[in-house]
Amino acid sequence: GENVEQHPSTLSVQEGDSAVIKCTYSDSASNYFPWYKQELGKRPQLIIDIRSNVGEKKDQRIAVTLNKTAKHFSLHITETQPEDSAVYFCAASPSGSARQLTFGSGTQLTVLP
Amino acid sequence: DVKVTQSSRYLVKRTGEKVFLECVQDMDHENMFWYRQDPGLGLRLIYFSYDVKMKEKGDIPEGYSVSREKKERFSLILESASTNQTSMYLCASSLVGTAGNTIYFGEGSWLTVV
Repeated sequence: GENVEQHPSTLSVQEGDSAVIKCTYSDSASNYFPWYKQELGKRPQLIIDIRSNVGEKKDQRIAVTLNKTAKHFSLHITETQPEDSAVYFCAASPSGSARQLTFGSGTQLTVLP
Repeated sequence: DVKVTQSSRYLVKRTGEKVFLECVQDMDHENMFWYRQDPGLGLRLIYFSYDVKMKEKGDIPEGYSVSREKKERFSLILESASTNQTSMYLCASSLVGTAGNTIYFGEGSWLTVV
């Protein structure tokens, strides 16, 4: 089955700096890669996703890049703000998989004021 | 707005007790999931269901069972709770189909087994 590895497990940045979280996946059949954000005490929520026919996607201060050849994808947050502090999960979904997603282990991002 | 509701946010149970965690979604989603969240281990799939009365094992089904008698409701059952099942449990739902459907999560149920 699919295996997703996520790094780093913790990340601290100064407010205004950029943050990058990286994930690798094992199943070349995976074609959908979402990122979820979980604020303290709250539910995980989808913040951005990318499909395998696209190399990069942006939404305001967040962007995701995908390298299918290397089987890795990354989340980029620019101009970080204190409200970006949360746990971020990457995930991968093989085509046709009813179970939908395999998640990474999560990254605790702390934005220091 | 999609709503996935977990009836109990915080539970404390004794070792050996039978525990029921209930989840209801209001978006007519075919798929429902139960995940377990532990620090450093991410979200691990326990069981999922793609239709009423249908279920499939996820990555860590041992010690758990599930029930889906109605489309909107998916229950996780710990037949005999043990201390290593102390964790946060997340229910989720999505539309059926191949990859690419957003998964919506509930708020989570914190279970402590003593």
